[in-house]
Amino acid sequence: KAGVTQTPRYLIKTRGQQVTLSCSPISGHRSVSWYQQTPGQGLQFLFEYFSETQRNKGNFPGRFSGRQFSNSRSEMNVSTLELGDSALYLCASSLGPETEAFFGQGTRLTVV
Amino acid sequence: GENVEQHPSTLSVQEGDSAVIKCTYSDSASNYFPWYKQELGKGPQLIIDIRSNVGEKKDQRIAVTLNKTAKHFSLHITETQPEDSAVYFCAASPRGFQKLVFGTGTRLLVSP
Repeated sequence: KAGVTQTPRYLIKTRGQQVTLSCSPISGHRSVSWYQQTPGQGLQFLFEYFSETQRNKGNFPGRFSGRQFSNSRSEMNVSTLELGDSALYLCASSLGPETEAFFGQGTRLTVV
Repeated sequence: GENVEQHPSTLSVQEGDSAVIKCTYSDSASNYFPWYKQELGKGPQLIIDIRSNVGEKKDQRIAVTLNKTAKHFSLHITETQPEDSAVYFCAASPRGFQKLVFGTGTRLLVSP
């Protein structure tokens, strides 16, 4: 069974640009969550989606947004990039709420 | 909201020794407590988890204990091996959601 796939693996963007990251969950999983990982702040929750509905949102500015499609694939978008947005963005897939979450390899975003 | 504290931040042991990592959480509504292992350049890997209706769970060399009254849970690794070297994260999740609040991580180094 294929794991969680995140694309792209690495990305370099310039301040002010926007970026879209993609996540394909494990087959059959309907819940997708996103996390930001930085050396200073650790792993922080961004959003949770289940059956195309955002069920929970972390404490991030409105520049961070996401969505989930009918096939459970998810995307997150960051607009007007800032240097501080440089991080590893991780997607986690699970069958549903309160079940085991499995992480992808992440997308390493560097903002210059 | 939930806050998870994790100790120690670094832990060095000799191969064959035991390692213990401790976490405390603040929100009594949390009912799911997973542990993740993250190796360099990879996403977090779920290694064991426990729910609030269970006090202890074991899987080969790894065990987790939960004390709901004191709001703390611990990871125990016995007979450590060099390949156990990684960063370990504890997390807590509130009932009904797939939002994980992570501890700050413990860097475990197992020397041969």
